[in-house]
This record gives sequence, structure tokens and C-alpha cells, in this order.
Amino acid sequence: AQSVTQLDSHVSVSEGTPVLLRCNYSSSYSPSLFWYVQHPNKGLQLLLKYTSAATLVKGINGFEAEFKKSETSFHLTKPSAHMSDAAEYFCVVSDRDFGNEKLTFGTGTRLTIIP
Amino acid sequence: EPEVTQTPSHQVTQMGQEVILRCVPISNHLYFYWYRQILGQKVEFLVSFYNNEISEKSEIFDDQFSVERPDGSNFTLKIRSTKLEDSAMYFCASSGAGGYYEQYFGPGTRLTVT
Repeated sequence: AQSVTQLDSHVSVSEGTPVLLRCNYSSSYSPSLFWYVQHPNKGLQLLLKYTSAATLVKGINGFEAEFKKSETSFHLTKPSAHMSDAAEYFCVVSDRDFGNEKLTFGTGTRLTIIP
Repeated sequence: EPEVTQTPSHQVTQMGQEVILRCVPISNHLYFYWYRQILGQKVEFLVSFYNNEISEKSEIFDDQFSVERPDGSNFTLKIRSTKLEDSAMYFCASSGAGGYYEQYFGPGTRLTVT
């Protein structure tokens, strides 16, 4: 079974400073990895995805993540935080089964932006 | 931009009652999913549905749960006899195809069982 571990339940950064949200994964074969974001009272929105192409993946709103197989990590970064980035972020791994992707979620990291 | 919609946004029901949560997936999508998130816990997979049948289900998805695509647009989750522990946010998702097609999630239905 595949799993992800989000190392921080809560991260606070000042507006304009870099963001780092950490995620480690466990997989018996080459995984597909995703970051989803959930703003208050909203659905889950896909930020970016890794599917065995380029290891550095760029997503929406200036976020990116790097797949590091040697470290089994898929950390999410952004150079400069904006107030609108305040949300819950989920690292997700797919459990591919004949093309039908069951997603396995991490426990989430709540990102707070300090003005 | 097309989106997944869910109704109602909040449902309150008494223990033992049946509830039906409704979802309208994106129109040309083929795979449909239900997930749930109990307050303070992680989002958990419940069931996937393709070609009018269940593709996969988790151990949470017992005989009290069922899913249906009653017409060409709706996808429903029924809980036959609700328990207190069914209180959670339920998310519907759909995807265009398997493989690398991402899942699009609805805003969720908060189910409160009293």
C-alpha cells in the first residue's frame, strides 16, 4: 500500500517570504504524486502533479514541487507567499489500478500567512 | 470552467435515517469517486465507479453504503441507516479517464448525524 506523510501540521510564514511544505511518500513502485489545496468552505483544487516526467513540477499560483526518489520526498515550495495562499494543503499519492486512480491523502498542512 | 457540484452543502439527519448525497460530475468524465473527511482526520477514499459499476471500494464502504448513477448527469451516495460516526464531509470527484487524468473535486457535503 502507498502512503504519504506530511511532516508539518501547521506552517506559518510572513507575506513575501518563501513557503516550504514537506511531504514524504512510500510506494512499492513509481508513484504519481499530487498537491491539492483546500480553501475554507471550498472544494479540493489540484495545484500540481508529478507523473514520471520532469522531476521539477510547476503548478498554479507560483507553486512548484520537486520529486526526489532518493529521499522519497515531494516537497511543495513557493518563492514568495501571498495572503491568498492561506489554506490547507494535501500531499496525495495515487494507487493506480488498471488506470483507475484511488487517491491516498496525507493528513494536511495548514498554511497561515502573517501580514 | 466546468466544475463538480454537490448538494446539499450541509445535511443534518438523525441516527438510523437514510440519506442521499448528490453530485453532478463534469459532463464528459468517465470515472466517479466518493471520499470522506471526518473532522480533524485525513481525506479517505470510499469508492470508485466506472461504466455503471463499482471499480473499487474501501473497507469503510460496507453494506450500509451504495452508489448509483441514476441518469446521465447525477452520481449519488446513499447511506441506508446513518450512524453517529458517519458524520463527516463527503467529497465527490470525477476524472476524464484513468492513468494521469486528475480528479476534480466538488465542494463537499457536510453530513451531521445526531
